[in-house]
Amino acid sequence: DAKTTQPNSMESNEEEPVHLPCNHSTISGTDYIHWYRQLPSQGPEYVIHGLTSNVNNRMASLAIAEDRKSSTLILHRATLRDAAVYYCIRQGGSEKLVFGKGMKLTVNP
Amino acid sequence: NAGVTQTPKFQVLKTGQSMTLQCAQDMNHNSMYWYRQDPGMGLRLIYYSASEGTTDKGEVPNGYNVSRLNKREFSLRLESAAPSQTSVYFCASRGWGLGQPQHFGDGTRLSIL
Repeated sequence: DAKTTQPNSMESNEEEPVHLPCNHSTISGTDYIHWYRQLPSQGPEYVIHGLTSNVNNRMASLAIAEDRKSSTLILHRATLRDAAVYYCIRQGGSEKLVFGKGMKLTVNP
Repeated sequence: NAGVTQTPKFQVLKTGQSMTLQCAQDMNHNSMYWYRQDPGMGLRLIYYSASEGTTDKGEVPNGYNVSRLNKREFSLRLESAAPSQTSVYFCASRGWGLGQPQHFGDGTRLSIL
């Protein structure tokens, strides 16, 4: 069971940074951490993934704790378009991704 | 860049009717997936195909069949639709290699009366 724990929801203000936490205390050494987001009435969209080191891409940054038991998705400057449900997912050697209920991010103008 | 294309986008069926949902990807990905998403819930895996010619059950396979027609196409069939299968269905694909992300289509919204 590739379980992660996220808050049910968070709020942020437009143009401010947002830190979205995720706990994965039972992660194994070969599990990747993936983040996806889902905008209303759309399919999930890949955001970022990492294994051990912090990762940056054009959408976000991923900070992974040294013990790998938690990670934080960082949106450097939230926009209204970032309002979505965010999923933090562990992926091991299996083909499968296990989606939880995710975390709803509200961005206030 | 089409990515993952699902057809149809919307469909209404009567109980007992059959239906095939189509999915095609143009990214030369080996793996393809079918998920369903019920209101307020995360996605649940129905079936997946790790490569052309292979299929495996996911979390909720009952009532569904799949066909990996070729590397590009992966279809999902409901032989005798039931109201409990009313849901949004998403297809995804993934390239080869550890940690590669999945890419999703826009979904098929299916209602069964």
